Amino acid sequence: AQSVTQPDIHITVSEGASLELRCNYSYGATPYLFWYVQSPGQGLQLLLKYFSGDTLVQGIKGFEAEFKRSQSSFNLRKPSVHWSDAAEYFCAVVPTGSGGGADGLTFGKGTHLIIQP
Amino acid sequence: DTAVSQTPKYLVTQMGNDKSIKCEQNLGHDTMYWYKQDSKKFLKIMFSYNNKELIINETVPNRFSPKSPDKAHLNLHINSLELGDSAVYFCASSQTTLGVTSGSTDTQYFGPGTRLTVL
Repeated sequence: AQSVTQPDIHITVSEGASLELRCNYSYGATPYLFWYVQSPGQGLQLLLKYFSGDTLVQGIKGFEAEFKRSQSSFNLRKPSVHWSDAAEYFCAVVPTGSGGGADGLTFGKGTHLIIQP
Repeated sequence: DTAVSQTPKYLVTQMGNDKSIKCEQNLGHDTMYWYKQDSKKFLKIMFSYNNKELIINETVPNRFSPKSPDKAHLNLHINSLELGDSAVYFCASSQTTLGVTSGSTDTQYFGPGTRLTVL
C-alpha cells in the first residue's frame, strides 16, 4: 500500500543546533513531495516542495530538503534551529491518483519538534 | 487578507446533532479540499472538489457531505454527529486539482482549521 512514514514522533533539539527530520515514502513511482509545518493552534504552512529536477530543494525559514530516490526519502534539514521552529512537521505526498481515492495530499503522521534553550 | 478562511474556529455540540463548517477561499482557485486531523494529529483527506467533480475518500461516512454554492466556497455538513467525529477539520484549496495523474504541481493552501468537539 502507498504510504508516507515519519519514523520520529518527537525530536528534541537544542537551540542553535542542526536538525534533520526523516520522511520515507512507499510508492511505485516518485510522487510529488512536500513538507508542511503546523505551529500550535495554527493551520498548515508549506515549507517546500519537490516535483522534479534538482534533488536539493530550498524552502522558507531556512529549511531545505533532499530527495533521495534510492532511499525513497525526502528528509528536511535546517543548519541552526530557532526557538520559533518548535512545531509539528508533516511530510506529504501526492499519490498516483488511481484507486478511487480523493486527489490531494497524503500526510505522514507528523514529527513534533521541541527546542531546548 | 486571509486566503482560505473557515468558520467557526471552534464548534462544540452534542451527539446526534447536525452541524456545518464553512470554508471560503479568495484565491480564485478551482479546487477545494477537506481534511480531518485526529487527536493524534494524523491528517487525512476527506474530499476534493472542483467545478467538475467531487471525489470522496472511501473511508468517509456518508454522514459527511460537502456542499459548494460557488467556486469560492466548500462547506462541510455533518449529520448525526458521533463522538469519533471530534477532530480538527481543515479546508484547503489549489489552483487545479493536485495530482500526479493530472500533472498539476500547484501548491495547496490551508485554512486555519475548525476544532469540532462532540460531547
